[in-house]
Amino acid sequence: EPEVTQTPSHQVTQMGQEVILRCVPISNHLYFYWYRQILGQKVEFLVSFYNNEISEKSEIFDDQFSVERPDGSNFTLKIRSTKLEDSAMYFCASSLDRRSREQYFGPGTRLTVT
Amino acid sequence: GQNIDQPTEMTATEGAIVQINCTYQTSGFNGLFWYQQHAGEAPTFLSYNVLDGLEEKGRFSSFLSRSKGYSYLLLKELQMKDSASYLCAVQDSNYQLIWGAGTKLIIKP
Repeated sequence: EPEVTQTPSHQVTQMGQEVILRCVPISNHLYFYWYRQILGQKVEFLVSFYNNEISEKSEIFDDQFSVERPDGSNFTLKIRSTKLEDSAMYFCASSLDRRSREQYFGPGTRLTVT
Repeated sequence: GQNIDQPTEMTATEGAIVQINCTYQTSGFNGLFWYQQHAGEAPTFLSYNVLDGLEEKGRFSSFLSRSKGYSYLLLKELQMKDSASYLCAVQDSNYQLIWGAGTKLIIKP
């Protein structure tokens, strides 16, 4: 069964550094998403991406964040100048289209900023 | 504002039935989802409701009343592996998923 993959599974970085989180969505899916979940808190939508551009973004997704689809398979989230409060699980998801009943989630990347 | 409410924690006994409620107030509605999330893992899809009524899928059922802004997830014949958090999420007018904080379900033998 096709699945969304994410790398790395755990990333530790120092405050102020840049990190890139990588995702490989399911191959025939057209919409891609990033979510964040701070430990013990709710899942939060960050951004959706379609046709090589941002479709929707939340208030959390400020200039510190950017997304890119550098090739035909990868979908990346870049966080510039990381802060302690960026420590969270970051989930990538993909769906066939925006009205799709189901978004398929990757296993997540745990980001720890020290 | 957008708001999704569900109980923080519930406890039930193995073999029993439990109902997890969710109420929502969102800008637009394009469907309500229930996800299961085990600690440290990604959410996994359980159910989707867009019309009023009950959707049944094996041991799990989900109900929706759009006029009341209300849904519930019903789990029957509880098993120890059902211990997890259950997340209610609503797809708003922009098709964004707005998430509740989740209900931690504890199953006791």
